[in-house]
Amino acid sequence: GQNIDQPTEMTATEGAIVQINCTYQTSGFNGLFWYQQHAGEAPTFLSYNVLDGLEEKGRFSSFLSRSKGYSYLLLKELQMKDSASYLCAVRASYGGATNKLIFGTGTLLAVQP
Amino acid sequence: SAVISQKPSRDICQRGTSLTIQCQVDSQVTMMFWYRQQPGQSLTLIATANQGSEATYESGFVIDKFPISRPNLTFSTLTVSNMSPEDSSIYLCSVIANEQFFGPGTRLTVL
Repeated sequence: GQNIDQPTEMTATEGAIVQINCTYQTSGFNGLFWYQQHAGEAPTFLSYNVLDGLEEKGRFSSFLSRSKGYSYLLLKELQMKDSASYLCAVRASYGGATNKLIFGTGTLLAVQP
Repeated sequence: SAVISQKPSRDICQRGTSLTIQCQVDSQVTMMFWYRQQPGQSLTLIATANQGSEATYESGFVIDKFPISRPNLTFSTLTVSNMSPEDSSIYLCSVIANEQFFGPGTRLTVL
């Protein structure tokens, strides 16, 4: 089966750095995604890792270790607008279909002044 | 990139009725996905819809309850049949176009 775990909630301070972890167990792994979702809105794409290592994109970085089934999203210089849910998602091929994106439970991040 | 629209954006329905949700994409895509997001929870994949073939459903979802059509490469519908209050949720259409994009969602409330 497919299993993706994230912390349910996190709190951080404006201007600080926060790391959101994600562990996964899946068959047919084909990449890991991070999405941001504000309340009442659709998820928006943040990052994609298919090879081991760090991908950096402005204030956001994402890391992947396929051998450990582990990823993290790093947010630097936190801003109040970063308060949102952060969803870890694994792309996998199984059950007769390819490239299915399976989501973790999501981490609700609250940024405080 | 891909721009996705959904209709309706929201609806309130009576128990036992059915609702069909439409998803329109501004470019041709091979794979379309339907997700459900229940209040306060993450996204759950309902099914994968490929043009010209039957949809592939995830465990816990069946065609009789969630029939899907995919008549061409830019359009799909998801029907929520014989609704109950437990079906109250946001239903999102999604496509892969380099990245994976999501529609704005359809907020369904079943009374």
